[in-house]
Amino acid sequence: AQSVSQHNHHVILSEAASLELGCNYSYGGTVNLFWYVQYPGQHLQLLLKYFSGDPLVKGIKGFEAEFIKSKFSFNLRKPSVQWSDTAEYFCAVNAGDNQGGKLIFGQGTELSVKP
Amino acid sequence: EPEVTQTPSHQVTQMGQEVILRCVPISNHLYFYWYRQILGQKVEFLVSFYNNEISEKSEIFDDQFSVERPDGSNFTLKIRSTKLEDSAMYFCASKIRTSGTDTQYFGPGTRLTVL
Repeated sequence: AQSVSQHNHHVILSEAASLELGCNYSYGGTVNLFWYVQYPGQHLQLLLKYFSGDPLVKGIKGFEAEFIKSKFSFNLRKPSVQWSDTAEYFCAVNAGDNQGGKLIFGQGTELSVKP
Repeated sequence: EPEVTQTPSHQVTQMGQEVILRCVPISNHLYFYWYRQILGQKVEFLVSFYNNEISEKSEIFDDQFSVERPDGSNFTLKIRSTKLEDSAMYFCASKIRTSGTDTQYFGPGTRLTVL
């Protein structure tokens, strides 16, 4: 069965610090990978996704993620965080051969950025 | 920008009562989903719906649950006899096509509290 693991439950950073959130998945076949963000009081929004091509993908608001197939990882990065990045971040995968594309989520990482 | 909407935002019910959670997916989307998140736990897939029938369902989605698209716009999740453990945030999502690479757009969620 597919599963997703996010290493950090709560990360606290100061503004301008660099961010890296870990995500590992277990699935033997082709996967599509997603990072979603949920700002306080808002719905889940897509930050970025990877399904093929360049393993380094860029998303909205300066976020990027790198797919490393050999490590089954899809870590999210941002060089310099802002207070407005305070949110919960979810890594999710679906099986590439599943048209329905149900998402399997990690447990989420809460990011708190101190001004 | 079109959004997925959900009503109500918060539903409180007594154990054993039936509840219907409503969602209006984005209008030209073809695939619809329900997910739930019990407090402190992962977002979990419940069911996907395509072409007026269930495409896939999880083990959680037992006989107490049903989904329906009663008209061209609404997508509902019914829980026939609620249990305490059904208390969770329920998210509706939709996507435009039958491809696993397509982005799922999420609604703001309905918080269900079963007393």
